[in-house]
Amino acid sequence: AQKITQTQPGMFVQEKEAVTLDCTYDTSDQSYGLFWYKQPSSGEMIFLIYQGSYDEQNATEGRYSLNFQKARKSANLVISASQLGDSAMYFCAMRDSQAEYGNKLVFGAGTILRVKS
Amino acid sequence: NAGVTQTPKFRVLKTGQSMTLLCAQDMNHEYMYWYRQDPGMGLRLIHYSVGEGTTAKGEVPDGYNVSRLKKQNFLLGLESAAPSQTSVYFCASDNMGDGVYYTEAFFGQGTRLTVV
Repeated sequence: AQKITQTQPGMFVQEKEAVTLDCTYDTSDQSYGLFWYKQPSSGEMIFLIYQGSYDEQNATEGRYSLNFQKARKSANLVISASQLGDSAMYFCAMRDSQAEYGNKLVFGAGTILRVKS
Repeated sequence: NAGVTQTPKFRVLKTGQSMTLLCAQDMNHEYMYWYRQDPGMGLRLIHYSVGEGTTAKGEVPDGYNVSRLKKQNFLLGLESAAPSQTSVYFCASDNMGDGVYYTEAFFGQGTRLTVV
């Protein structure tokens, strides 16, 4: 069964510093996709970055990068030069083909990030 | 382009009442999902659909039913609401990709449901 684990319920980071949010996943499939979403206090879900299991390079999107270690089944999100607006809940998610019916998108429990000025 | 629209945004129900949450997407997506979000538990998948006329159970399907009669709509029903169903409900949609590259999901704005 799919499983996403985010072991950090909450994190603090100083403004302008980098922060790493951890995500490990469990799947027996060879083909899967990993996603990170941001949920600010307003509640909407914002897509940040995607990593495919066959992608050889780590994904990057502006200040976001994904540290993908396939053998360890980890997909950590790195935010460089943190800004106050980065304060939010962050979710790691995965899609693979292991579902009984089609494939599905499942999420971890999330990490609350607070950026300090 | 509206994306994914959920109605209603807020609702208060009494225990035992029924209601239906509507999700509509205008992106011609095949996949649609219903999640509930509770503190400390992330988003848990209730039911999902891989195309018009199909539904499948997710992680926490008990107490909920769904229907996908039209491709653009995915309905979530609570037949007899319970206080344990107090939560924020999110609908999402995406395309299945090609099995190698998966596409991002688009989310509605959420429905805050309180059962008293």
